[in-house]
Amino acid sequence: AQSVAQPEDQVNVAEGNPLTVKCTYSVSGNPYLFWYVQYPNRGLQFLLKYITGDNLVKGSYGFEAEFNKSQTSFHLKKPSALVSDSALYFCAVRDAAGGFKTIFGAGTRLFVKA
Amino acid sequence: SQTIHQWPATLVQPVGSPLSLECTVEGTSNPNLYWYRQAAGRGLQLLFYSVGIGQISSEVPQNLSASRPQDRQFILSSKKLLLSDSGFYLCAWSVTPRDTIYFGEGSWLTVV
Repeated sequence: AQSVAQPEDQVNVAEGNPLTVKCTYSVSGNPYLFWYVQYPNRGLQFLLKYITGDNLVKGSYGFEAEFNKSQTSFHLKKPSALVSDSALYFCAVRDAAGGFKTIFGAGTRLFVKA
Repeated sequence: SQTIHQWPATLVQPVGSPLSLECTVEGTSNPNLYWYRQAAGRGLQLLFYSVGIGQISSEVPQNLSASRPQDRQFILSSKKLLLSDSGFYLCAWSVTPRDTIYFGEGSWLTVV
């Protein structure tokens, strides 16, 4: 069965510093991996995805994520955090073997202090 | 481009009353459609998904039902709401089951 874990409930970072939001996954086949961001009282917005190819994926708003197959991780990163990046971030995984179910992590709340 | 609309945005309903949340997708045909519930501002629970008109799969047995009367329309319903039905409901779509899922803006349901 597929699963995804976001080990940090909350991440605090100062504006201008790099940020990392962690995600690990478990699937039986090759993974499709996604990151979403949610602002208060809004739906989830798609940031980026990894299907195949380069391990470093670039997405919206300057975010990127690194796929690490040996560590089964897909951490979200940004070189310089903005206060406006403060939000709830979700990692999601889907097994490339098929099926309709995308499993979402519990979410990590990011606080960026000015 | 494709857009997804979900309404109403906010709903306060008494216990025992019916529910209807509606979602439509524009700019694509035969999308895969999903209803999720988000409790306590955190994890997402898949409630229903649909691959075509009249084809609904339920992930979690509960007080809710879903219908897809038209290709790009997905409705979440209940005949009698429970307090535990309160939450943030999100409609979503994808081109195929393997594609990125895109979400609507959500509907806040408070059952009182």
